[in-house]
Amino acid sequence: ETGVTQTPRHLVMGMTNKKSLKCEQHLGHNAMYWYKQSAKKPLELMFVYSLEERVENNSVPSRFSPECPNSSHLFLHLHTLQPEDSALYLCASSQDTGPREQFFGPGTRLTVL
Amino acid sequence: AQSVAQPEDQVNVAEGNPLTVKCTYSVSGNPYLFWYVQYPNRGLQFLLKYITGDNLVKGSYGFEAEFNKSQTSFHLKKPSALVSDSALYFCAVRDGRSNYQLIWGAGTKLIIKP
Repeated sequence: ETGVTQTPRHLVMGMTNKKSLKCEQHLGHNAMYWYKQSAKKPLELMFVYSLEERVENNSVPSRFSPECPNSSHLFLHLHTLQPEDSALYLCASSQDTGPREQFFGPGTRLTVL
Repeated sequence: AQSVAQPEDQVNVAEGNPLTVKCTYSVSGNPYLFWYVQYPNRGLQFLLKYITGDNLVKGSYGFEAEFNKSQTSFHLKKPSALVSDSALYFCAVRDGRSNYQLIWGAGTKLIIKP
């Protein structure tokens, strides 16, 4: 899993906190993704970036704010979250946004108290 | 509407026996189909995909899947299961007309018993 790294691996935050999740890919890919994974539910695509431009925002609440400063780094800024936002947040990358396999990081386990 | 169904929450197989994890899909255009595996406390790993061509696709770790257009299915198979195959398996589909949206199944937990 050295191809896509995510930090932190675990995060506990209160509803009024501000925190950020970081993702870095070392694969030279041009597309990056944020997913939310909840138990026994399909992965939910949150955001897609292609060549550092956001190309998809799947009706995600504004308390989640993505940032892609370059093609290797992706952030998810969190603010005023709700307990139902507790989940595993996965970052992925792919060569481009074509029908290619995505490479996933290990995820950040987020708990909102 | 696009959708993916993995009808079994859990599949139990004895080590050495063949395994099948089922997936059916619904898309408007031609489907691009994927299988991923997730081990505990890890991200998802790509196993195989079908884009076009031969309906039988071979992937990592001895897994294969068969695209069946008439039954809109893409079941994952392995001739002889290993205990190390125990994991969570996800099927995903992308409509050929979509730019990037993958539609995911809810996952099937595969348990291989020694």
